[in-house]
Amino acid sequence: QQQVKQSPQSLIVQKGGISIINCAYENTAFDYFPWYQQFPGKGPALLIAIRPDVSEKKEGRFTISFNKSAKQFSLHIMDSQPGDSATYFCAAKYSGGSNYKLTFGKGTLLTVNP
Amino acid sequence: DADVTQTPRNRITKTGKRIMLECSQTKGHDRMYWYRQDPGLGLRLIYYSFDVKDINKGEISDGYSVSRQAQAKFSLSLESAIPNQTALYFCATMHANEQFFGPGTRLTVL
Repeated sequence: QQQVKQSPQSLIVQKGGISIINCAYENTAFDYFPWYQQFPGKGPALLIAIRPDVSEKKEGRFTISFNKSAKQFSLHIMDSQPGDSATYFCAAKYSGGSNYKLTFGKGTLLTVNP
Repeated sequence: DADVTQTPRNRITKTGKRIMLECSQTKGHDRMYWYRQDPGLGLRLIYYSFDVKDINKGEISDGYSVSRQAQAKFSLSLESAIPNQTALYFCATMHANEQFFGPGTRLTVL
């Protein structure tokens, strides 16, 4: 059972363009939604995260948009650069004090062409 | 710098062999995790541990076992490796909802 569905599986964008990666979830018990960025040969690292009490969070060129009613959230990368080429994972965490696990999407391989 | 390290970084082994992947962390975090990454399948949780006496199965624990030797050390074992365990394996810690991943171990089972 895939609890966090991520699309597209791969994405090619030209330098300066906008990259958009989408995720959807079913379980309303999720209360924390991070995005991780993974460069080749490295482990994933936290990029940006949001809680469902806000609809948008922006950090530099990276923005999370969150639609609670649709149970969807997306990552927008503005002015995409070749250095943004990486695999991106969305994730979700259940609410509750003892639920320290993340459920990850299957990942999106982003290629930004120069 | 406080870090998560994994050894070995690459390993080639044969079907039926026992193999151990080791993870150490200097971050002082109690929570540690093992994931495997396969193309198109993302990161799947194998085992996790919230302290030395607490070990929990993840979604794909069959064929794997773990040992939490200390707060800083969490090892993953494949008792009898099979080819479909060929994958990239990551150890991670967690603190304040953020996971900190090691650099990964690329395992090939022939």
